[in-house]
Amino acid sequence: QVQLVQSGAEVKKPGASVKVSCKASGYTFTSYGISWVRQAPGQGLEWMGWISAYNGNTNYAQKLQGRVTMTTDTSTSTAYMELRSLRSDDTAVYYCARGGSYSAGSMFDPWGQGTLVTVSS
Amino acid sequence: EIVLTQSPGTLSLSPGERATLSCRASQSVSSSYLAWYQQKPGQAPRLLIYGASSRATGIPDRFSGSGSGTDFTLTISRLEPEDFAVYYCQQYGSSPVTFGPGTKVDIK
Repeated sequence: QVQLVQSGAEVKKPGASVKVSCKASGYTFTSYGISWVRQAPGQGLEWMGWISAYNGNTNYAQKLQGRVTMTTDTSTSTAYMELRSLRSDDTAVYYCARGGSYSAGSMFDPWGQGTLVTVSS
Repeated sequence: EIVLTQSPGTLSLSPGERATLSCRASQSVSSSYLAWYQQKPGQAPRLLIYGASSRATGIPDRFSGSGSGTDFTLTISRLEPEDFAVYYCQQYGSSPVTFGPGTKVDIK
């Protein structure tokens, strides 16, 4: 079955970086893209950006431009999201989700199980 | 960017009742690129509806979506105990992709 499995929880200090992985299985990885969505405690869903696993094109949310980088490793069917200069308000559960191959505009199905990133001094 | 507003914020209903959830967009959603997700506590969101009215694989037919332009509706015809959750709408016709704030359906 189609599945996305994410790396484990992280605790980081303000100013540090975090890199979350998302390993895909059950489908042809390069036929789709991966979006990243985060959810702060008790809050709603915030789209962070998208990467095409087909050609590596990216589209990042404006508020995260310059702090986020999304990459893929097609040899292992894994997507990565790195967020730098972490602040306390980056504390959230980070989800990867399968999306469109050519554009960020897509519904998301399925989703990874989520990775809790806690930013605290 | 397109801002999505969901109403009501909370819907308190009993099992077996009908639930009607609204999602309104600040501007027309291109080609009805509107999706609905269900999220239970501690779980990832699950896709229910895409293209405003198409059910995702494995979604029971008590879930239905309708609407176009700026007004969309998710209807749950008869609530089952497992349907009590938070529901989000998402538009993916314009960049950036945006989500509504969610509607919580809880047990009355």
